[in-house]
Amino acid sequence: AQSVTQLDSQVPVFEEAPVELRCNYSSSVSVYLFWYVQYPNQGLQLLLKYLSGSTLVKGINGFEAEFNKSQTSFHLRKPSVHISDTAEYFCAVRGGSEKLVFGKGTKLTVNP
Amino acid sequence: DAGITQSPRHKVTETGTPVTLRCHQTENHRYMYWYRQDPGHGLRLIHYSYGVKDTDKGEVSDGYSVSRSKTEDFLLTLESATSSQTSVYFCAISRSGGAPDTQYFGPGTRLTVL
Repeated sequence: AQSVTQLDSQVPVFEEAPVELRCNYSSSVSVYLFWYVQYPNQGLQLLLKYLSGSTLVKGINGFEAEFNKSQTSFHLRKPSVHISDTAEYFCAVRGGSEKLVFGKGTKLTVNP
Repeated sequence: DAGITQSPRHKVTETGTPVTLRCHQTENHRYMYWYRQDPGHGLRLIHYSYGVKDTDKGEVSDGYSVSRSKTEDFLLTLESATSSQTSVYFCAISRSGGAPDTQYFGPGTRLTVL
Protein backbone atom coordinates (compact mmCIF):
# COMPACT_ATOMS: atom_id res chain seq x y z
CA ALA A 1 0.00 0.00 0.00
CA GLN A 2 1.06 3.56 -0.62
CA SER A 3 1.23 6.46 1.80
CA VAL A 4 2.06 10.13 1.49
CA THR A 5 3.49 12.52 4.04
CA GLN A 6 3.39 16.24 3.53
CA LEU A 7 5.90 17.49 6.01
CA ASP A 8 4.47 20.97 6.56
CA SER A 9 0.82 21.67 7.26
CA GLN A 10 1.27 25.44 6.81
CA VAL A 11 3.88 27.46 4.94
CA PRO A 12 3.84 31.28 5.15
CA VAL A 13 6.05 33.19 2.72
CA PHE A 14 6.41 36.71 1.42
CA GLU A 15 5.49 37.65 -2.12
CA GLU A 16 8.31 37.10 -4.66
CA ALA A 17 10.14 34.73 -2.32
CA PRO A 18 10.91 31.14 -3.38
CA VAL A 19 8.94 28.29 -1.85
CA GLU A 20 9.31 24.54 -1.48
CA LEU A 21 6.47 22.29 -0.35
CA ARG A 22 7.73 18.93 0.77
CA CYS A 23 6.24 15.55 -0.01
CA ASN A 24 7.54 12.09 0.84
CA TYR A 25 5.92 8.83 -0.14
CA SER A 26 6.23 5.16 0.56
CA SER A 27 5.41 2.39 -1.85
CA SER A 28 6.53 -1.13 -2.64
CA VAL A 29 5.93 -0.67 -6.37
CA SER A 30 6.72 1.91 -9.01
CA VAL A 31 4.62 4.99 -8.48
CA TYR A 32 3.03 7.86 -10.27
CA LEU A 33 3.04 11.15 -8.40
CA PHE A 34 0.75 14.14 -8.57
CA TRP A 35 0.45 17.63 -7.11
CA TYR A 36 -2.97 19.24 -6.94
CA VAL A 37 -3.90 22.78 -5.88
CA GLN A 38 -7.13 23.83 -4.20
CA TYR A 39 -8.04 27.51 -4.16
CA PRO A 40 -10.50 28.65 -1.48
CA ASN A 41 -13.98 27.18 -1.94
CA GLN A 42 -13.02 25.35 -5.11
CA GLY A 43 -12.28 21.81 -6.22
CA LEU A 44 -8.83 20.39 -6.83
CA GLN A 45 -6.89 21.24 -9.97
CA LEU A 46 -3.93 19.28 -11.28
CA LEU A 47 -0.66 21.22 -11.08
CA LEU A 48 1.68 18.59 -12.45
CA LYS A 49 2.39 14.88 -12.49
CA TYR A 50 5.33 12.52 -12.75
CA LEU A 51 4.79 9.38 -14.78
CA SER A 52 8.25 8.46 -16.04
CA GLY A 53 11.28 9.94 -17.75
CA SER A 54 12.82 13.22 -16.64
CA THR A 55 12.76 13.60 -12.89
CA LEU A 56 12.12 17.34 -13.15
CA VAL A 57 8.51 18.00 -13.98
CA LYS A 58 7.14 21.40 -14.94
CA GLY A 59 3.54 22.32 -14.29
CA ILE A 60 1.15 25.20 -14.56
CA ASN A 61 1.58 28.60 -12.95
CA GLY A 62 5.39 28.32 -12.85
CA PHE A 63 5.52 25.37 -10.46
CA GLU A 64 7.89 22.46 -10.84
CA ALA A 65 8.63 19.31 -8.88
CA GLU A 66 11.52 16.91 -8.71
CA PHE A 67 11.11 13.17 -8.32
CA ASN A 68 13.84 11.65 -6.17
CA LYS A 69 13.54 7.88 -6.04
CA SER A 70 16.35 7.31 -3.55
CA GLN A 71 14.83 9.76 -1.08
CA THR A 72 11.24 8.82 -2.00
CA SER A 73 10.40 12.49 -2.36
CA PHE A 74 8.48 14.68 -4.77
CA HIS A 75 8.94 18.24 -3.55
CA LEU A 76 7.11 21.13 -5.21
CA ARG A 77 8.95 24.39 -5.89
CA LYS A 78 8.38 27.83 -7.29
CA PRO A 79 11.17 30.41 -7.57
CA SER A 80 8.97 33.45 -6.96
CA VAL A 81 5.45 33.27 -5.53
CA HIS A 82 2.53 35.63 -5.99
CA ILE A 83 -0.37 36.51 -3.73
CA SER A 84 -2.57 34.47 -6.07
CA ASP A 85 -0.63 31.31 -5.19
CA THR A 86 -2.26 31.31 -1.76
CA ALA A 87 -4.05 27.95 -1.67
CA GLU A 88 -3.84 24.44 -0.28
CA TYR A 89 -1.57 22.01 -2.07
CA PHE A 90 -1.99 18.24 -2.06
CA CYS A 91 0.56 15.62 -2.99
CA ALA A 92 -0.86 12.28 -4.17
CA VAL A 93 0.62 8.92 -5.13
CA ARG A 94 -0.64 5.96 -7.06
CA GLY A 95 1.02 2.68 -7.95
CA GLY A 96 -0.06 -0.46 -9.71
CA SER A 97 -3.69 -1.21 -9.13
CA GLU A 98 -3.86 0.82 -5.94
CA LYS A 99 -6.11 3.80 -5.45
CA LEU A 100 -4.91 7.41 -5.53
CA VAL A 101 -3.72 8.30 -2.03
CA PHE A 102 -3.54 11.92 -0.91
CA GLY A 103 -1.41 13.64 1.67
CA LYS A 104 -3.07 15.81 4.29
CA GLY A 105 -2.27 19.02 2.45
CA THR A 106 -0.06 22.08 2.90
CA LYS A 107 -1.62 25.52 3.20
CA LEU A 108 0.53 28.07 1.43
CA THR A 109 -0.06 31.67 2.47
CA VAL A 110 1.66 34.37 0.46
CA ASN A 111 1.91 37.67 2.31
CA PRO A 112 2.55 41.07 0.73
CA ASP B 1 -12.19 22.63 -17.02
CA ALA B 2 -13.56 19.11 -16.98
CA GLY B 3 -17.33 19.08 -17.31
CA ILE B 4 -18.26 18.02 -13.79
CA THR B 5 -21.11 19.42 -11.76
CA GLN B 6 -22.21 18.54 -8.27
CA SER B 7 -25.57 19.18 -6.68
CA PRO B 8 -26.47 20.52 -4.29
CA ARG B 9 -23.45 22.73 -3.59
CA HIS B 10 -24.49 23.28 0.01
CA LYS B 11 -26.82 21.32 2.24
CA VAL B 12 -27.78 21.42 5.88
CA THR B 13 -29.66 18.47 7.26
CA GLU B 14 -30.51 16.82 10.54
CA THR B 15 -29.16 13.66 12.07
CA GLY B 16 -31.02 10.58 10.91
CA THR B 17 -32.31 11.96 7.62
CA PRO B 18 -31.35 10.47 4.24
CA VAL B 19 -29.24 12.59 1.92
CA THR B 20 -28.32 12.08 -1.74
CA LEU B 21 -25.57 13.96 -3.51
CA ARG B 22 -25.32 13.97 -7.27
CA CYS B 23 -22.32 14.11 -9.56
CA HIS B 24 -22.87 14.71 -13.26
CA GLN B 25 -20.19 14.60 -15.98
CA THR B 26 -20.27 15.49 -19.64
CA GLU B 27 -16.88 13.91 -20.50
CA ASN B 28 -18.07 10.33 -20.98
CA HIS B 29 -15.29 9.13 -18.64
CA ARG B 30 -15.57 5.57 -17.42
CA TYR B 31 -14.41 6.04 -13.84
CA MET B 32 -16.10 8.18 -11.21
CA TYR B 33 -15.13 8.67 -7.58
CA TRP B 34 -16.52 10.13 -4.37
CA TYR B 35 -14.12 11.61 -1.81
CA ARG B 36 -14.63 13.43 1.43
CA GLN B 37 -12.34 16.20 2.61
CA ASP B 38 -11.86 16.94 6.29
CA PRO B 39 -9.33 19.25 7.97
CA GLY B 40 -6.14 17.38 8.81
CA HIS B 41 -7.14 14.33 6.74
CA GLY B 42 -6.76 15.45 3.16
CA LEU B 43 -9.04 13.59 0.75
CA ARG B 44 -10.25 10.09 1.46
CA LEU B 45 -11.95 7.82 -1.04
CA ILE B 46 -15.50 6.74 -0.16
CA HIS B 47 -16.62 4.75 -3.21
CA TYR B 48 -15.81 4.59 -6.86
CA SER B 49 -17.38 3.31 -10.06
CA TYR B 50 -15.71 1.70 -13.04
CA GLY B 51 -18.79 1.54 -15.23
CA VAL B 52 -22.58 1.59 -15.22
CA LYS B 53 -23.76 -0.47 -12.26
CA ASP B 54 -20.14 -1.33 -11.36
CA THR B 55 -19.02 0.12 -8.04
CA ASP B 56 -16.56 -0.68 -5.28
CA LYS B 57 -15.69 0.51 -1.79
CA GLY B 58 -12.98 2.92 -0.86
CA GLU B 59 -11.19 3.70 2.36
CA VAL B 60 -14.13 5.20 4.29
CA SER B 61 -17.26 3.56 2.87
CA ASP B 62 -19.17 2.80 6.09
CA GLY B 63 -22.47 4.69 6.20
CA TYR B 64 -22.45 5.48 2.48
CA SER B 65 -23.91 3.82 -0.61
CA VAL B 66 -23.60 4.70 -4.28
CA SER B 67 -25.37 4.06 -7.53
CA ARG B 68 -24.57 4.59 -11.16
CA SER B 69 -27.39 3.89 -13.62
CA LYS B 70 -25.98 6.08 -16.40
CA THR B 71 -22.44 6.85 -17.48
CA GLU B 72 -22.85 10.52 -16.67
CA ASP B 73 -24.35 10.30 -13.18
CA PHE B 74 -22.91 8.98 -9.92
CA LEU B 75 -25.01 9.29 -6.77
CA LEU B 76 -23.79 9.19 -3.19
CA THR B 77 -26.37 8.39 -0.51
CA LEU B 78 -26.15 8.75 3.21
CA GLU B 79 -28.97 6.48 4.38
CA SER B 80 -29.14 8.04 7.84
CA ALA B 81 -26.88 11.05 8.19
CA THR B 82 -24.72 11.47 11.29
CA SER B 83 -22.75 14.47 12.55
CA SER B 84 -19.51 12.65 11.69
CA GLN B 85 -20.53 12.87 8.04
CA THR B 86 -20.35 16.66 8.10
CA SER B 87 -17.72 17.27 5.44
CA VAL B 88 -16.99 18.57 1.98
CA TYR B 89 -17.67 15.95 -0.66
CA PHE B 90 -15.86 15.90 -3.98
CA CYS B 91 -16.66 13.94 -7.08
CA ALA B 92 -13.86 13.08 -9.49
CA ILE B 93 -13.69 11.43 -12.89
CA SER B 94 -10.99 9.75 -14.94
CA ARG B 95 -10.91 8.34 -18.43
CA SER B 96 -9.60 4.97 -17.27
CA GLY B 97 -8.63 3.49 -13.95
CA GLY B 98 -4.99 3.24 -14.91
CA ALA B 99 -2.41 4.40 -12.40
CA PRO B 100 -1.04 7.27 -14.53
CA ASP B 101 -4.49 8.56 -15.42
CA THR B 102 -5.39 12.02 -14.12
CA GLN B 103 -8.44 12.48 -11.95
CA TYR B 104 -10.47 15.65 -12.51
CA PHE B 105 -12.47 17.09 -9.65
CA GLY B 106 -15.84 18.75 -9.33
CA PRO B 107 -16.48 21.91 -7.28
CA GLY B 108 -17.59 20.07 -4.14
CA THR B 109 -20.66 19.85 -1.93
CA ARG B 110 -20.51 21.20 1.62
CA LEU B 111 -22.73 19.05 3.84
CA THR B 112 -23.57 19.95 7.42
CA VAL B 113 -25.37 17.42 9.60
CA LEU B 114 -26.86 18.98 12.73
